[in-house]
Amino acid sequence: AQSVTQLGSHVSVSEGALVLLRCNYSSSVPPYLFWYVQYPNQGLQLLLKYTTGATLVKGINGFEAEFKKSETSFHLTKPSAHMSDAAEYFCAVSDRFSAGGTSYGKLTFGQGTILTVHP
Amino acid sequence: DVKVTQSSRYLVKRTGEKVFLECVQDMDHENMFWYRQDPGLGLRLIYFSYDVKMKEKGDIPEGYSVSREKKERFSLILESASTNQTSMYLCASSLYSPGHSNRGPPNELFFGSGTQLSVL
Repeated sequence: AQSVTQLGSHVSVSEGALVLLRCNYSSSVPPYLFWYVQYPNQGLQLLLKYTTGATLVKGINGFEAEFKKSETSFHLTKPSAHMSDAAEYFCAVSDRFSAGGTSYGKLTFGQGTILTVHP
Repeated sequence: DVKVTQSSRYLVKRTGEKVFLECVQDMDHENMFWYRQDPGLGLRLIYFSYDVKMKEKGDIPEGYSVSREKKERFSLILESASTNQTSMYLCASSLYSPGHSNRGPPNELFFGSGTQLSVL
């Protein structure tokens, strides 16, 4: 079964600093990869996804992530943090080829990383 | 605007009670999911449904059941609530991916705001 690990349950940065949230997956076949964000008292919403093609993926709100097959990683970055980026971020994976040929859109989520942005 | 609505934001129940959590989506999505969210554990899939009256177990189905009588509504049932089921419950839906037996990349999940359930 797929698994995904997010290194660091809490990350704290200053406003304007680089944001780096780490995600590693375990699979011999690279899965589909996603980052979701959860703002306080809200459900999750999609930030970006990698399915195929260019390994650097751009998402909403200035975030981007790079798929690195050799490192089995899909780290999320943003060059300059804003106070409004404070939220919990989840990396997620979906099997590229699942048993029986049907995935039904299931995602396996990481443990989550809470991002705090200081003024 | 797309919407997934969960009937209650906060719910307090007693051990042994039967609990119903309701979720409704207005996007005509085929796939619907129930996750529970616990600090340090992320989201874990309880059950999902890919069509009316169809259901599949997720990673942690024990102690739960589901019902999908209509396309837009997906209910999570705790047959006999226990304290270890105290958690945030998130409902989500997504569009079915046609072609190749749904083998393509999954479509975006749309989430409700969640129901914080406390079992005392």
